[in-house]
Formats: sequence, C-alpha cells, structure tokens
Amino acid sequence: DAKTTQPNSMESNEEEPVHLPCNHSTISGTDYIHWYRQLPSQGPEYVIHGLTSNVNNRMASLAIAEDRKSSTLILHRATLRDAAVYYCILDNYGQNFVFGPGTRLSVLP
Amino acid sequence: DGGITQSPKYLFRKEGQNVTLSCEQNLNHDAMYWYRQDPGQGLRLIYYSQIVNDFQKGDIAEGYSVSREKKESFPLTVTSAQKNPTAFYLCASSYMAGGFTDTQYFGPGTRLTVL
Repeated sequence: DAKTTQPNSMESNEEEPVHLPCNHSTISGTDYIHWYRQLPSQGPEYVIHGLTSNVNNRMASLAIAEDRKSSTLILHRATLRDAAVYYCILDNYGQNFVFGPGTRLSVLP
Repeated sequence: DGGITQSPKYLFRKEGQNVTLSCEQNLNHDAMYWYRQDPGQGLRLIYYSQIVNDFQKGDIAEGYSVSREKKESFPLTVTSAQKNPTAFYLCASSYMAGGFTDTQYFGPGTRLTVL
C-alpha cells in the first residue's frame, strides 16, 4: 500500500490559518489524495480530495505539490470545532484506504 | 435522512462470548467496510464488501466474521477467537466509481468492552 507520513501533532490559534502537511513520496500516477478528520469519539468525516490540481471546498483547501510527493491541507480560519485528528490517505485503483495515526490538531482559544 | 447507523453505541460482553455489531446504510452504496480503532491509533480494516453476498478480508480479519445478505446491512461478529476485542468499531460505506473508492461515509461507531 502507498504510504503517507504526517506529523503526530500540531497546534494552532483560533481564527488563524492552519497548514497540515502530508508526505507521500511513493505516490503513483493514479493515486488520489484524500483527507478525512475524526472528532473525539466519532467516526471520521470526509474533508477534501484531489488528484493533481489544487482543490477548494467549503471546509478547506488542498494544495498538491507539482511532483505530487507532498500535499497540504489548509484550514483558512481555525475554530475550536476544527480540533480533531486529520488523516491523509492515498486511494489507488482497487486498493483500500489505509488510515495511519494522522495529525492531532489542537486549537487554542 | 440518509446515513449510516451503528448500534449499540456502547456494548459490554463477557470474555468468551460472541457478539454481533449492527451496521445499516440507506445511501444506496455498493461498498461497506468495518474498521477497528484502538486508543491513539489509526483505523485498521477488518472486512469489506463491494457487492451483496461477497466480502473480502482486510488487514486484521482473524477472529471476526461478516455477512452481506442485503445491500443495506453489513453486520460484524466478534468471535471468542479474537484475542483482544475491546476497541472502537467503525462501519463505513461508499460508492465504487470505476474501481476507485469514492468518499467513505462513517457511522458513529460502537465501543465494545469485553470484561
């Protein structure tokens, strides 16, 4: 399975932007990059995904490096409700998602 | 409302007993999944099913069994053969788009404690 590496934890102040990095140096040409987040004691929820181009939605933006070996999830203005574990996942044809330990984001008031 | 339901939210069982966790979806999704999560860890895939009456083992299938008799339902049985069953169990479903896994939608989870 294609692997991703993320920092174990990050901190942000409320109302400030947050950049969550993900390295995926072994990504293949057909791998989609997915981001999910998991609030305490809940199931993960979808945040965003992309293939090559940067993507925006109402929750976040996804910036994908030109060589696709890394990506960054951007929360434009962190709120206390954004405190969660964020997972970066590669999705290749016919393979299942691999949820690593993710990045635990703390948001300080 | 469309979504995935899991029941119960909390479950306690004695060691050596089999227990079945329920997962139902009304999203008309083809694929369904069971994951296990231990404290501070990511999710690990137990079983998945892409079509009715068919399912495949994930990374940690030993000690678990599933069935997929209906598109909407994918129950998981934790058997007495599972050495350390206490965990948070998550069910998910998704469309299958040309072989790629589309967005997975997760249920609220069942926290199983074996005493």
